[in-house]
Amino acid sequence: EAQVTQNPRYLITVTGKKLTVTCSQNMNHEYMSWYRQDPGLGLRQIYYSMNVEVTDKGDVPEGYKVSRKEKRNFPLILESPSPNQTSLYFCASSRDRGVETQYFGPGTRLLVL
Amino acid sequence: SQQGEEDPQALSIQEGENATMNCSYKTSINNLQWYRQNSGRGLVHLILIRSNEREKHSGRLRVTLDTSKKSSSLLITASRAADTASYFCATDPSNTGKLIFGQGTTLQVKP
Repeated sequence: EAQVTQNPRYLITVTGKKLTVTCSQNMNHEYMSWYRQDPGLGLRQIYYSMNVEVTDKGDVPEGYKVSRKEKRNFPLILESPSPNQTSLYFCASSRDRGVETQYFGPGTRLLVL
Repeated sequence: SQQGEEDPQALSIQEGENATMNCSYKTSINNLQWYRQNSGRGLVHLILIRSNEREKHSGRLRVTLDTSKKSSSLLITASRAADTASYFCATDPSNTGKLIFGQGTTLQVKP
């Protein structure tokens, strides 16, 4: 089944404790990205990657890092999480940038205390 | 910044009725997409309409696009309780793959 998976689905952590949210897709997609969703602010892109070893900032990259060492994986790293990073995070992938359908993962709900 | 604004923010109807949601955007686009999100879950792609199309159908969904008014509408006919969800329009005005989402319309279909 074609899908985007994220882990963990739920995470409670404390300020400053590094964490990684994994994202993996099995559709051989070139393009992957991360979004965060917040009430009143909607969905905003954090980082995106057009291909392996190619990443770039989205609208709200501060406090986040990403890497794209393999085509299928695109982890989101929070080196020193802060409470304002409490959010619902989505990974997405598509065949190519600007190509129509993006497939979204199920989401990771993060609470930073 | 948000490209799209959706109207209404919330909509409550009875099963079997039609639901119409509207989306407005600010810049020129190549296409506009609609996504559905069940409460707290991932987004599911519903339909894409290109800038040179005026109307598109998919099952019980009908999408229209008016590029002169920079607006789109999503019509769900013969709604079902399972259609209860939030619906978002999204565009990619920079053609970088960065989707700009509207704030969404929360639809409740009462059985």
